Amino acid sequence: QVQVVESGGGVVQPGRSLRLSCATSGFTFGLFGMHWVRQAPGKGLEWVACIWSDGNSKFYGDSVKGRFTVSRDNSKRMLFLQMSSLRAEDTAVYYCARTTTVSGGEMDVWGQGTTVTVSS
Amino acid sequence: HSALTQPASVSGSPGQSITISCTGTSSDVGGYDFVSWYQQHPGKAPKLILSHVSNRPSEISSRFSGSKSGNTASLTISGLQAEDEAHYYCYSFTSSSTWVFGGGTTLTVL
Repeated sequence: QVQVVESGGGVVQPGRSLRLSCATSGFTFGLFGMHWVRQAPGKGLEWVACIWSDGNSKFYGDSVKGRFTVSRDNSKRMLFLQMSSLRAEDTAVYYCARTTTVSGGEMDVWGQGTTVTVSS
Repeated sequence: HSALTQPASVSGSPGQSITISCTGTSSDVGGYDFVSWYQQHPGKAPKLILSHVSNRPSEISSRFSGSKSGNTASLTISGLQAEDEAHYYCYSFTSSSTWVFGGGTTLTVL
């Protein structure tokens, strides 16, 4: 069964850091690009970051560039999002999603999300 | 890149057809055929319903179709059913090698 499961969310103070993880199973992780997408409470979807299958190409949305870092460990079938200098506006459900190619693209497998709340 | 422009809401009666537009620029929607659409029910993860403008995953009903003209992509749902009531988002590749979503459209089945 193809599956991605996010973890690592929680409540964090502004300015602090948090690392999200995404565990994958049921497919050859190293052959697919991966995305992070977030959704603030009551708002729409926002693309956050993308990493290609080999981990060498990474792209970020303007609102997180320079603060967030996406990475992956193909040997462990894991995707990560290191978030630093967190702001209240980073509060959202964060989804991990698989693309249909080795690079970026549409997302055909989604997790259920992990909630990040940035608050003092 | 700014979010793609979608109508905030659309509605239709069971059996009818509706169309949701997604307007961008020549740097995103108009420049590439990497436009996809997602359906999201409240409290659930998004679900891919169309890719590459008009390609449907095998499990998606043929009632869902897509097209593109210039800088505007469109999602059409025919034969509306109660379970189609959800939020719909378009999504496009951009000239910056990034990706951008539309603001989302709430579909109400009357």
